[in-house]
Amino acid sequence: ETGVTQSPTHLIKTRGQQVTLRCSSQSGHNTVSWYQQALGQGPQFIFQYYREEENGRGNFPPRFSGLQFPNYSSELNVNALELDDSALYLCASSAGQGAGTGELFFGEGSRLTVL
Amino acid sequence: AQSVSQHNHHVILSEAASLELGCNYSYGGTVNLFWYVQYPGQHLQLLLKYFSGDPLVKGIKGFEAEFIKSKFSFNLRKPSVQWSDTAEYFCAVVMDSNYQLIWGAGTKLIIKP
Repeated sequence: ETGVTQSPTHLIKTRGQQVTLRCSSQSGHNTVSWYQQALGQGPQFIFQYYREEENGRGNFPPRFSGLQFPNYSSELNVNALELDDSALYLCASSAGQGAGTGELFFGEGSRLTVL
Repeated sequence: AQSVSQHNHHVILSEAASLELGCNYSYGGTVNLFWYVQYPGQHLQLLLKYFSGDPLVKGIKGFEAEFIKSKFSFNLRKPSVQWSDTAEYFCAVVMDSNYQLIWGAGTKLIIKP
């Protein structure tokens, strides 16, 4: 157990809809990052939040957005869903300002299927 | 473009065999290097990491990895695998920034008892 929890674990949406995924970080961690993992591929970095501000973003369009709350939990929002958004979405928390400073602790992921 | 390559997507070994999983990255600057593992039904977890110093890094469960800068490689090794090492292994690299992990596609390792 990492102490990082994600919800929901599975969900099905249709094209054009919007989805919100949630993540509770491990106690004491102030950084949350989100990754998209398509089937058979490694995770792709979406963005990272440090103390409620986005401080890094990967190559994802603006319809992928996020929030981090004062308790360091986080949300990932995806608007105008496309079929290619079907993937496992992973949340990771860490104590430092980013992956380069130390270990990431991952949740189990949210499996999104877009029909 | 910056990328991480894991050349073996599937590896099948017998117990007690030696293991080496390849990882190469394409970037000439400073890197931090990681191996993560995902056991069946579990979350991703850190196996070992390299930031600086001794290029031979030891991790959990008897795994080690060697950073060879001239070859842009960070191969994972274990002298004698066990059935419980069955998992998917990911190499990941931070390239000159402190937040974006770039991941390889993963290697699925199956150990036959």
